[in-house]
Amino acid sequence: GAVVSQHPSWVICKSGTSVKIECRSLDFQATTMFWYRQFPKQSLMLMATSNEGSKATYEQGVEKDKFLINHASLTLSTLTVTSAHPEDSSFYICSADYRESYEQYFGPGTRLTVT
Amino acid sequence: GENVEQHPSTLSVQEGDSAVIKCTYSDSASNYFPWYKQELGKGPQLIIDIRSNVGEKKDQRIAVTLNKTAKHFSLHITETQPEDSAVYFCAGGGSNYKLTFGKGTLLTVNP
Repeated sequence: GAVVSQHPSWVICKSGTSVKIECRSLDFQATTMFWYRQFPKQSLMLMATSNEGSKATYEQGVEKDKFLINHASLTLSTLTVTSAHPEDSSFYICSADYRESYEQYFGPGTRLTVT
Repeated sequence: GENVEQHPSTLSVQEGDSAVIKCTYSDSASNYFPWYKQELGKGPQLIIDIRSNVGEKKDQRIAVTLNKTAKHFSLHITETQPEDSAVYFCAGGGSNYKLTFGKGTLLTVNP
């Protein structure tokens, strides 16, 4: 149980375009999901907390107009990177809180490369 | 906010030996401490966790201990195997279901 999927697993896009990443909890409902960014050989950096039916809460320094988050249902959250630039290239990982227990289960991640 | 320090940053052991990774946290309100294993190119995998009302938890070759007074917790892996090689992250959680992660430990188990 407690499986989280992400799609796509990797994506290459051109500078200036937008990219959408989906995060799904497959076998449980998640009121709260999280989006992280991870650079090579570094820890996970929380970008935002996504709550079903309400606006996402962004961490300090994260541009909410650039990283659009929508938590449309109890099993789906999406992250859209708008007007992507090469510096947005990174590994993006989502997680879902399991039944408000603090246990976070992570997706497999999405490798974004902006050329 | 919470600050989690993790040591060591790298750890190399021989197959069959034990490995210990230590973390300290700053927020006394934190009450949930998970450990994650991350293999290259993959998402982190929850391997064990402990809550503040428990001092120790064990799952086969993996154990976690928590000292609330000293604000530190540790991961113990016994009888290490090459497949245990990965990056391990500790984390602390206390409010809004958010976790603060340590910087990670690269564990290498040499056959």
